[in-house]
Amino acid sequence: SQQGEEDPQALSIQEGENATMNCSYKTSINNLQWYRQNSGRGLVHLILIRSNEREKHSGRLRVTLDTSKKSSSLLITASRAADTASYFCATDRGFSGGYNKLIFGAGTRLAVHP
Amino acid sequence: EAGVAQSPRYKIIEKRQSVAFWCNPISGHATLYWYQQILGQGPKLLIQFQNNGVVDDSQLPKDRFSAERLKGVDSTLKIQPAKLEDSAVYLCASSSLLANQETQYFGPGTRLLVL
Repeated sequence: SQQGEEDPQALSIQEGENATMNCSYKTSINNLQWYRQNSGRGLVHLILIRSNEREKHSGRLRVTLDTSKKSSSLLITASRAADTASYFCATDRGFSGGYNKLIFGAGTRLAVHP
Repeated sequence: EAGVAQSPRYKIIEKRQSVAFWCNPISGHATLYWYQQILGQGPKLLIQFQNNGVVDDSQLPKDRFSAERLKGVDSTLKIQPAKLEDSAVYLCASSSLLANQETQYFGPGTRLLVL
């Protein structure tokens, strides 16, 4: 079962523009993570935001979390062609015993054109 | 540090054949995950190991899929017999047990095509 749903499914922008991707989920979470996947490659962790945090920054990335609306957004500022990839949100509900289990959404395919 | 290693990178088999994938996690990572990623979808967890014990295999089709992690390090995932719908990328990931270390580190994946 998929916990997170990304919106939009696909996004096409020009270099230098900002890209915003949204993620909605259904149940309470411990944290929410964003991953990037380049074509034919594995996933790379971008940023983690905990349920008691509202906003987090990492370089050109800004993530927000609204637990009341069960939603998160990923903003990439001043996009580059190298940002072209699929972006996935993953929710971690935690386990009794402390094991974390990520449930991924279907992803947003971002294309940044030179 | 070396990343998560997987082999083979690509595999083409016919339906009803068997196939096995291998994963070597990051050194010291106690938790190992196998995911299935069908084209156009996000990864779906198949099985999660804590050292050499299974923590979660609720989404593993146990009639045809099996996995083991002997000695709590390397892991193999096997499909026997394969079906057409098993065509996907199989991703291995690992993570640490340390506090506030929930990040998962992924290998490059094995792309399986079942004909």
